Amino acid sequence: GIQVEQSPPDLILQEGANSTLRCNFSDSVNNLQWFHQNPWGQLINLFYIPSGTKQNGRLSATTVATERYSLLYISSSQTTDSGVYFCAVCRYNQGGKLIFGQGTELSVKP
Amino acid sequence: GAGVSQSPSNKVTEKGKDVELRCDPISGHTALYWYRQSLGQGLEFLIYFQGNSAPDKSGLPSDRFSAERTGGSVSTLTIQRTQQEDSAVYLCASSFGQGNTEAFFGQGTRLTVV
Repeated sequence: GIQVEQSPPDLILQEGANSTLRCNFSDSVNNLQWFHQNPWGQLINLFYIPSGTKQNGRLSATTVATERYSLLYISSSQTTDSGVYFCAVCRYNQGGKLIFGQGTELSVKP
Repeated sequence: GAGVSQSPSNKVTEKGKDVELRCDPISGHTALYWYRQSLGQGLEFLIYFQGNSAPDKSGLPSDRFSAERTGGSVSTLTIQRTQQEDSAVYLCASSFGQGNTEAFFGQGTRLTVV
């Protein structure tokens, strides 16, 4: 099955700093999503981005499908950005279930 | 409903008891997923339903775990003879299916086995 690796596993930032989170996957995919799990455990959808680039406020994401990676950019980080960021992929002809990476735990200090 | 709804939000049960966890997907979504997240860990896939196809049960950790989806909508995850290692947050998600549309998660059920 598809393997998903996220890096770095942990990240500590000062408020206002920028960061880049990476998601590598081992095979071509039909779907790629980025989620933010807040301190209360809720998984929030950030981007549905099987390819290309999208932006939403201070966050943007790029997926280069041919090279099997995706990047999540966080600019001008805020303490509310803290939490765990997950990348998840699926490949329809392998059943269609979402396969998650282990996440990047981000802590933004005031 | 507007989002994926799970009930109960919290469940405390005694070791050896059976529990049922419920998931109401977003209306019209044909795909439904169950995941488990132990404290401080990532998401562990349990089971995936897509329309009328046979479910992908490859993630169920033992035969004490089962799930059904009635009428292509509501799903129930049942854990029989609960053990302390079953304590975790159980998360449900739904999507339009076919593996290439956006999935949305419910708030989860926190299960504690004492």
